Amino acid sequence: DAKTTQPPSMDCAEGRAANLPCNHSTISGNEYVYWYRQIHSQGPQYIIHGLKNNETNEMASLIITEDRKSSTLILPHATLRDTAVYYCIVSRPNAGNMLTFGGGTRLMVKP
Amino acid sequence: KAGVTQTPRYLIKTRGQQVTLSCSPISGHRSVSWYQQTPGQGLQFLFEYFSETQRNKGNFPGRFSGRQFSNSRSEMNVSTLELGDSALYLCASSFGGSTLETQYFGPGTRLLVL
Repeated sequence: DAKTTQPPSMDCAEGRAANLPCNHSTISGNEYVYWYRQIHSQGPQYIIHGLKNNETNEMASLIITEDRKSSTLILPHATLRDTAVYYCIVSRPNAGNMLTFGGGTRLMVKP
Repeated sequence: KAGVTQTPRYLIKTRGQQVTLSCSPISGHRSVSWYQQTPGQGLQFLFEYFSETQRNKGNFPGRFSGRQFSNSRSEMNVSTLELGDSALYLCASSFGGSTLETQYFGPGTRLLVL
């Protein structure tokens, strides 16, 4: 499996953009990058995923570098409710639905 | 559309007992995956069931088992409980394709083993 590396924690001011980096230098050509988040003691919540191109949805944007070795999740206007642990996950192709979680980044949004 | 539901939400057991946890997936979803979350080990994959068959299995001892019913509901069982089995047990459902899909997680069952 391609491993991911994320900073253990980050702070962000409320209303500002939160940029969460993820390194996945061993990613294979057919592996997707997924982002989930987990608000304290709740089940993880899907945010966004992508293969090569940048992606945007109502929650966030995902920027994947051209060589696909790293990506950045962007929360454009962070709110206090975005305080959570954010997990960057690289999929295993044809492996069914098995998510391999790393340590994630604990994002603290501060007023 | 109702989300993934898990019962019970909280459970207290003693060492040596066994426990059964239940998960009802989102309507139409045929894949159910189970995860264990502990402070020390983080989120770890237990197993995945699709069409009543175990499709993937994580690195857990045989005390951890599961099954899936024809309506896609799933149960997991832990026998001979140990203190280290205290954890948040999460299930997730998806449609069930062969490649990784968006998974929707339930709220979890918090198990405390005394």
